[in-house]
Amino acid sequence: DAKTTQPNSMESNEEEPVHLPCNHSTISGTDYIHWYRQLPSQGPEYVIHGLTSNVNNRMASLAIAEDRKSSTLILHRATLRDAAVYYCILRDEFSGGYNKLIFGAGTRLAVHP
Amino acid sequence: DAGVIQSPRHEVTEMGQEVTLRCKPISGHDYLFWYRQTMMRGLELLIYFNNNVPIDDSGMPEDRFSAKMPNASFSTLKIQPSEPRDSAVYFCASRNGLTYEQYFGPGTRLTVT
Repeated sequence: DAKTTQPNSMESNEEEPVHLPCNHSTISGTDYIHWYRQLPSQGPEYVIHGLTSNVNNRMASLAIAEDRKSSTLILHRATLRDAAVYYCILRDEFSGGYNKLIFGAGTRLAVHP
Repeated sequence: DAGVIQSPRHEVTEMGQEVTLRCKPISGHDYLFWYRQTMMRGLELLIYFNNNVPIDDSGMPEDRFSAKMPNASFSTLKIQPSEPRDSAVYFCASRNGLTYEQYFGPGTRLTVT
């Protein structure tokens, strides 16, 4: 499985943008980039995913480098509710791997009022 | 929709006892997953089902663990006999086969003394 590298922790202030980086230098051509987050005392929740192009949804944006060796999850205006552990996960669609999510340590995001 | 429902939310038991964790997936979802989360090992996939059939149980730690899905709306994860090292939060998740995202339940916190 392709490996991802994320900072252990990051901090932000409320209402400011947050850029959460993820390095995946060994990504293969068929690997999708998925992001999940886990709020305190809750199960993980899906945030966003993409393959090559940048993606936007109501929760966040995903910016993917042209060589796909890194990506950035962007929270446009952080709120206190965004304090969570954010996981960057690579999954190979064609091996059926999107069923086997492999969670690393993730990035713990703290949001200050 | 009520989301994925897990019961009990908390379970405290003594070593050697049988433990049964329960999960009701989101209606219409044809994939069901069991995960375990500990501080040491993070979030790990134990087993997943497709249309009530176990597809991959390679993450099940040992024979003391078993999982069943007798119908589309119910699954159990059983540990017999339980050991202190089984203490963890166990999550159930489900997915619609037409989409990528997995929806996680609130988890069952298991403590084995």
